[in-house]
Amino acid sequence: GQNIDQPTEMTATEGAIVQINCTYQTSGFNGLFWYQQHAGEAPTFLSYNVLDGLEEKGRFSSFLSRSKGYSYLLLKELQMKDSASYLCAVIDSNYQLIWGAGTKLIIKP
Amino acid sequence: IAGITQAPTSQILAAGRRMTLRCTQDMRHNAMYWYRQDLGLGLRLIHYSNTAGTTGKGEVPDGYSVSRANTDDFPLTLASAVPSQTSVYFCASSEKGAGGKDTQYFGPGTRLTVL
Repeated sequence: GQNIDQPTEMTATEGAIVQINCTYQTSGFNGLFWYQQHAGEAPTFLSYNVLDGLEEKGRFSSFLSRSKGYSYLLLKELQMKDSASYLCAVIDSNYQLIWGAGTKLIIKP
Repeated sequence: IAGITQAPTSQILAAGRRMTLRCTQDMRHNAMYWYRQDLGLGLRLIHYSNTAGTTGKGEVPDGYSVSRANTDDFPLTLASAVPSQTSVYFCASSEKGAGGKDTQYFGPGTRLTVL
């Protein structure tokens, strides 16, 4: 079966750095997305990786290792507004998007 | 530009009743999707449509039906609601519908409670 694993919940301090990991076992791989979802709201697109390496976008960076079936989302200079769930999703060989259950990130002052 | 709109925002429904959740996008995207999101389970695909006039089944299609008569609208119908269909329903759309980076954009969701 297809599986995406993320930690259920993480806690970090305002101003700090946090890394949210995602491991996947899917039938094929055609890219990986990270989405942010604030409580009671819709998911919104953060990043996309299809090649190995780091993609940086402001305070957020996403890393991919296809050989290890592994990605992480790195959030720097954490702000209270970063408190949200972060969803990892993989495009499989049928170009269907397989979603992880999400990581709830709690930021403390 | 509204993006994707969903209606209703929330609904309480008696078991056995028929219900249609509406979804409209104004981005002229080819593909549209319906997901349900339950605590601890993440987003699960119910049905999808890669282009107007075609639909496909996702991971959890039972008890749901869809139609795609035109590009903009993608209604989801529960023929006879059951309590296990209590969930938050998200509609999404994407430009290409197949292959490569195909970012999905989500509507605000419909919170449905079946009693």
